[in-house]
Amino acid sequence: GEQVEQLPSILRVQEGSSASINCSYEDSASNYFPWYKQEPGENPKLIIDIRSNMERKQIQELIVLLDKKAKRFSLHITDTQPGDSAMYFCAASENNAGAKLTFGGGTRLTVRP
Amino acid sequence: GGIITQTPKFLIGQEGQKLTLKCQQNFNHDTMYWYRQDSGKGLRLIYYSITENDLQKGDLSEGYDASREKKSSFSLTVTSAQKNEMAVFLCASSIWQYEQYFGPGTRLTVL
Repeated sequence: GEQVEQLPSILRVQEGSSASINCSYEDSASNYFPWYKQEPGENPKLIIDIRSNMERKQIQELIVLLDKKAKRFSLHITDTQPGDSAMYFCAASENNAGAKLTFGGGTRLTVRP
Repeated sequence: GGIITQTPKFLIGQEGQKLTLKCQQNFNHDTMYWYRQDSGKGLRLIYYSITENDLQKGDLSEGYDASREKKSSFSLTVTSAQKNEMAVFLCASSIWQYEQYFGPGTRLTVL
């Protein structure tokens, strides 16, 4: 089955700077790559996603990049704020797998004021 | 908007006990999922169900059973709780390969 590796596991940045999280996957058939944010004590929530027909997607301060050849995708948070502090999970899904998502191990992001 | 309800919120069991967790959703989503999340770690898929009466194994299905009784409900059974086991079990639902909506979780502690 699909395997997703996520790095770094811990990320600390200064408020106003950028934060980048990188993920790699193994199954070249994967075609959907969502990112979830989980705040302490809360359930994960989708923040942005990208499908394999795109290489870049931006929603406000969130940018996702997808390199299908290298089987890598990444999340970039520009102008980080303390409210961005949370766990972030990447995931990959292959359509023929019946909407099954394989999650990365997570990145704990801390934004220092 | 819809909501996902998980019961119970906290579950304390004894070693070897059979424990059942329940999940209900009113999104009218076809697909439902059960994940296990250990403290500070990622989500591992236990079982998922594409439609009523369907059941698919995830990567962590050993030691668990699941049942999709109807479209709106999906239950998970820990067949034999392991001593010192602690984890949060998250239920989710989605329309196929789109956003998964998660419930609040059931926190399991095994004494």
